[in-house]
Amino acid sequence: EAGVAQSPRYKIIEKRQSVAFWCNPISGHATLYWYQQILGQGPKLLIQFQNNGVVDDSQLPKDRFSAERLKGVDSTLKIQPAKLEDSAVYLCASSLSWGMGQFFGPGTRLTVL
Amino acid sequence: GQQVMQIPQYQHVQEGEDFTTYCNSSTTLSNIQWYKQRPGGHPVFLIQLVKSGEVKKQKRLTFQFGEAKKNSSLHITATQTTDVGTYFCAGLQGSGNTGKLIFGQGTTLQVKP
Repeated sequence: EAGVAQSPRYKIIEKRQSVAFWCNPISGHATLYWYQQILGQGPKLLIQFQNNGVVDDSQLPKDRFSAERLKGVDSTLKIQPAKLEDSAVYLCASSLSWGMGQFFGPGTRLTVL
Repeated sequence: GQQVMQIPQYQHVQEGEDFTTYCNSSTTLSNIQWYKQRPGGHPVFLIQLVKSGEVKKQKRLTFQFGEAKKNSSLHITATQTTDVGTYFCAGLQGSGNTGKLIFGQGTTLQVKP
């Protein structure tokens, strides 16, 4: 069974630029999550989808971050414009259904200069 | 706000010694999940506990969920160098589709051979 795929693996941009991350969850997983993990901390949930609907985006900085999950499969997370404090690893995870164990992708390491 | 506290932050042990990490939530949890993240890697799902007082074992790892469903522990017997990594607990707060998984800060385990 293929795992969660993410791209790119690494991205370096300057502040005020835009960036987008892509995630392909495990086939059949209804729930998809985007997390931000800053070095030395636990993952922080940004947004959670159930199929193609948003379930929770209470911690998503909506003035600069946006995410979508068209057709309930792949998802993209966008930051526009990026700030220095956005430097982190962005993890995508999926689970069979809400509340079940989550399977994480390898993450995208973002550096904002 | 909703918090999941995990202690200790770091633990250095000699190979063969035991190790325990503790997790406490400010609110009652629907379930507790444990993840392991190797250096440079992504979180990997280990187990989920749902019932009050539940105990589960995976080889040398023993997981417990408190009676009040607010705390949990992970105990590793006779650590090995392959146990190195950061162990995160994650508490599922809320029910239905409105809850979210809150990660603790993690306990980083170093094992000296």
